[in-house]
Order: sequence, then structure tokens, then C-alpha cells
Amino acid sequence: DAKTTQPTSMDCAEGRAANLPCNHSTISGNEYVYWYRQIHSQGPQYIIHGLKNNETNEMASLIITEDRKSSTLILPHATLRDTAVYYCIVRPHYTGANSKLTFGKGITLSVRP
Amino acid sequence: DTGVSQNPRHKITKRGQNVTFRCDPISEHNRLYWYRQTLGQGPEFLTYFQNEAQLEKSRLLSDRFSAERPKGSFSTLEIQRTEQGDSAMYLCASTPGLAGEEYEQYFGPGTRLTVT
Repeated sequence: DAKTTQPTSMDCAEGRAANLPCNHSTISGNEYVYWYRQIHSQGPQYIIHGLKNNETNEMASLIITEDRKSSTLILPHATLRDTAVYYCIVRPHYTGANSKLTFGKGITLSVRP
Repeated sequence: DTGVSQNPRHKITKRGQNVTFRCDPISEHNRLYWYRQTLGQGPEFLTYFQNEAQLEKSRLLSDRFSAERPKGSFSTLEIQRTEQGDSAMYLCASTPGLAGEEYEQYFGPGTRLTVT
């Protein structure tokens, strides 16, 4: 799997947008960008994924640059419950076999009141 | 459907003892994964099953580790002769495992192992 790099941590004010960056400069043409998050003492939770177009769901938006070398996860109105470690992962969408996830250290988002 | 469940949630054991963890995936999910997570790190892949067949094992899975999924439903992960370095959170995840689309893994809450 291609490697991703993320800042170690960031914070934002409650109610404001949280923009979480991720670099994946070695991403291959068939690899998607996935985001998971892990709230303290819980298992990881899927957020969103995308290939090259911007994506939005009820949790977040994903903006992928045109060259696909970086992306940004946007939480439009962060709440205290969004405080978590966020993982950016790249892997093929259809592996045909083992679709294991390769996690890095992620970025710790702290939402302050 | 109550999601992926894992038992026990916490386990404290003395070095040298054997421990066994259980994972119950979401009903009818064919694929089941085990990951290990140490403090400050992201989860690391250990092994996965397609139904009852164990199809891949990570190099992290030493000979002291064994995983089973006898009827293609729940799975167990056993660690023999535990060492302090085995202290970690052990996470289980499942997916439908159908050919083609697969993008979301559903994780359980994990079992936290402490070896004293």
C-alpha cells in the first residue's frame, strides 16, 4: 500500500470546520483514499473514501487534489464528539483477496469548547 | 444487528499464561480480520479469514499466536506463553467479503490485553 503522511495533531473550535490534511504522493492509479477515525477506547470507524472526485456524506467531505497526491478531510461543524485520531489510508478499492487496512499513526484532532 | 462484538473487553494475565479472545462478526459477513494496536500506533494487520479459511497471516503473528474460525462465524485468537510485548489492544473487523465492492470494515471495540 502507498504510504501516507499526516500531521501529528491539530485542534479546532467547536462549531467550526476541521480540515485534516493528508499527503499520499506515491498513490497509484487504482488506489482509493480512505479515512477512518478512532475515538478513544473504541475500534476504528469508517468515514469516507474517494478516487479522484470530491465526495460528501453525512459525516464529512473529502477533497482530493487533481494530481491525487494529497487530500483533505473536512468536518464542516466539528463537535466535541469528533475528538479522535483520524487515519488517512490508500489502497485498491477492489483487491480480490485480502483487503487489509494499513494504518499509520494518524492525526489527533482535539475539538475545544 | 448489534455490530461486531469482542470478549473479553479487558484481560490481565501473567507472563507465560495462555489467553484466548473471541470475536463475533456481523451476521453473514464472510471476511473477518484481526489487528493489533499498541499505544500511540495505528492498528496493524495480523490475519484474516474468508469464511472458515485463514488466508493470510502477517509476520507479526508468531508461532505463539493461533487464530481459528471453525464454522465461518465467530473467531478466536489464542496467545500461548504470553510475553510483556504482547500487551496491546486486539481488534477484530468484518466485511461482507463479496466479490467486487469492498470499502468499509466494521470494527469491534477491541480486547485490551495487559501482560504483567
